Amino acid sequence: SQQGEEDPQALSIQEGENATMNCSYKTSINNLQWYRQNSGRGLVHLILIRSNEREKHSGRLRVTLDTSKKSSSLLITASRAADTASYFCATDAVNTGTASKLTFGTGTRLQVTL
Amino acid sequence: EAQVTQNPRYLITVTGKKLTVTCSQNMNHEYMSWYRQDPGLGLRQIYYSMNVEVTDKGDVPEGYKVSRKEKRNFPLILESPSPNQTSLYFCASSLYPGSSYEQYFGPGTRLTVT
Repeated sequence: SQQGEEDPQALSIQEGENATMNCSYKTSINNLQWYRQNSGRGLVHLILIRSNEREKHSGRLRVTLDTSKKSSSLLITASRAADTASYFCATDAVNTGTASKLTFGTGTRLQVTL
Repeated sequence: EAQVTQNPRYLITVTGKKLTVTCSQNMNHEYMSWYRQDPGLGLRQIYYSMNVEVTDKGDVPEGYKVSRKEKRNFPLILESPSPNQTSLYFCASSLYPGSSYEQYFGPGTRLTVT
């Protein structure tokens, strides 16, 4: 079963608006990562947030982590058409004996229209 | 340029005809992994390798084989492909295993088994 699950499954916004997508996970984690995938292409790493961090920024990206709620959010500010892609969270699970394996969710498909 | 390469990018084959998808990374990464991506199921790990000659099963290893004879290469072998192995395949690598390290993905191999 998935460790991380993104919400919503799909999101459509206009250029210039902010996009927020969420990731929920089941068990305690060490770190959480966000990746982006343009249609049919390989995933690209965006940002990593550690379990002892609450917020992290990278350019127009803002990631928050709430370990008490077992959830993370990815905010893309001032979105552009080029942000159209699928976004995945990836987490591990503490003390599972799987060498900190990274498990990916099913992704949020973001469509940014002009 | 740091990268993960996969070949072929597209492959159409028939049931039972053995095939190999190659994967190579030029970053001296210890950890390499194969995923398959199917609609609605996200990325699922097939096999992974912690180092040369060390490989282990992921979540969906049935019908696949791997080898890691050199650090840079991690081929995926389908001894007798079946239509349910039609999928988009990604090779990925990271410096070490675990969620502290970002994974670098190849461009993907779209496999169709008829």
